[in-house]
Amino acid sequence: GAGVSQTPSNKVTEKGKYVELRCDPISGHTALYWYRQSLGQGPEFLIYFQGTGAADDSGLPNDRFFAVRPEGSVSTLKIQRTERGDSAVYLCASSPQPTGWDEQFFGPGTRLTVL
Amino acid sequence: AQSVAQPEDQVNVAEGNPLTVKCTYSVSGNPYLFWYVQYPNRGLQFLLKYITGDNLVKGSYGFEAEFNKSQTSFHLKKPSALVSDSALYFCAVRDRNYGNNRLAFGKGNQVVVIP
Repeated sequence: GAGVSQTPSNKVTEKGKYVELRCDPISGHTALYWYRQSLGQGPEFLIYFQGTGAADDSGLPNDRFFAVRPEGSVSTLKIQRTERGDSAVYLCASSPQPTGWDEQFFGPGTRLTVL
Repeated sequence: AQSVAQPEDQVNVAEGNPLTVKCTYSVSGNPYLFWYVQYPNRGLQFLLKYITGDNLVKGSYGFEAEFNKSQTSFHLKKPSALVSDSALYFCAVRDRNYGNNRLAFGKGNQVVVIP
């Protein structure tokens, strides 16, 4: 079956611009996660959705970052007034249920470069 | 708080030799533990997990890991490494008593299997 997909695969933008990153989770997965992976580091948690609502957004670094999941499926991560420090690979993951022991299935990521 | 340490940046092993990738964790309660592998330009792929029960967990592609509560470790092992095992390996933990679903990842270990 289809895995988690993310678009675009690469995004290059200029400092100060607005970007949107999209995630299509595995069909039927109720839990959706966003992580950010900087060069040489492991993924860092950003936000977790259970259905349409953000159950935990404590990993968002500041108020320039926002994410939505209006219909409980596709999610969009939005970054306003981008900064060079936002350059990273943004990973999306989904899991069938919001249980802590379910493995999370990851997409290929979106590589964001802020010039 | 929950965290993972992967003390070695890179692990070099000859093809056919045993492979070990080290991981220690820190949680306030009891852990769920995971190993993921990342190949170049691809998303993280789930290898195995420890939830409860038998301390030795078997996963995909001949990998296994042993949970050691007294040493707070969850080392990944493979009896006979293949060149195709060369990749980046991440250990992750979730504190089952913490009440959220976020995973805390280590910084990763690059495994190089030498033919």
